[in-house]
Amino acid sequence: EAQVTQNPRYLITVTGKKLTVTCSQNMNHEYMSWYRQDPGLGLRQIYYSMNVEVTDKGDVPEGYKVSRKEKRNFPLILESPSPNQTSLYFCASKRQGKVNEQFFGPGTRLTVL
Amino acid sequence: AQSVTQPDIHITVSEGASLELRCNYSYGATPYLFWYVQSPGQGLQLLLKYFSGDTLVQGIKGFEAEFKRSQSSFNLRKPSVHWSDAAEYFCAVASRNNNDMRFGAGTRLTVKP
Repeated sequence: EAQVTQNPRYLITVTGKKLTVTCSQNMNHEYMSWYRQDPGLGLRQIYYSMNVEVTDKGDVPEGYKVSRKEKRNFPLILESPSPNQTSLYFCASKRQGKVNEQFFGPGTRLTVL
Repeated sequence: AQSVTQPDIHITVSEGASLELRCNYSYGATPYLFWYVQSPGQGLQLLLKYFSGDTLVQGIKGFEAEFKRSQSSFNLRKPSVHWSDAAEYFCAVASRNNNDMRFGAGTRLTVKP
């Protein structure tokens, strides 16, 4: 089944404790992206990657890092999480091209205490 | 930069009634337009998309949307709502390179029996 998977689905952590949220897709998509969803703000893009070793900032990149060493994986790294990073995070992927929709993972709910 | 406005935060309709969710966008050229639905605890599922051509777009689950360039709108409609349509709906706009998708804040739909 074609899908985007994220792990963990739920995470509660404390301020300053480094964490990684993994994202993997099995559709051979070139493009992958991370979003955060907050009430009243919709989804905002954190980082995106157009292909292996190519990443770029979205609208809200502060406090996050990403890497794209393999085509299928695009982990999101919070080096020193803070409470304002408490949010619902979505990974998405799509085939690179002009008319392709993004496919979304199930989401990761992160709480930073 | 492009932006999306969904004027209605929350809408309640009776089952069987018609539905229209509003979406207005701001963009210098004709963008790509999308409607996604998010059921509670789920990721985002694409309902429909507009890239070019016929301005009335049919989607899944009986939804349709009409692109009106003169009004910068892309409203989502359904003639008869079902209880299972209760969810949050997001309108999104992407530039022609389709890498920087922006979402509206979402409209939460409640369906009364």
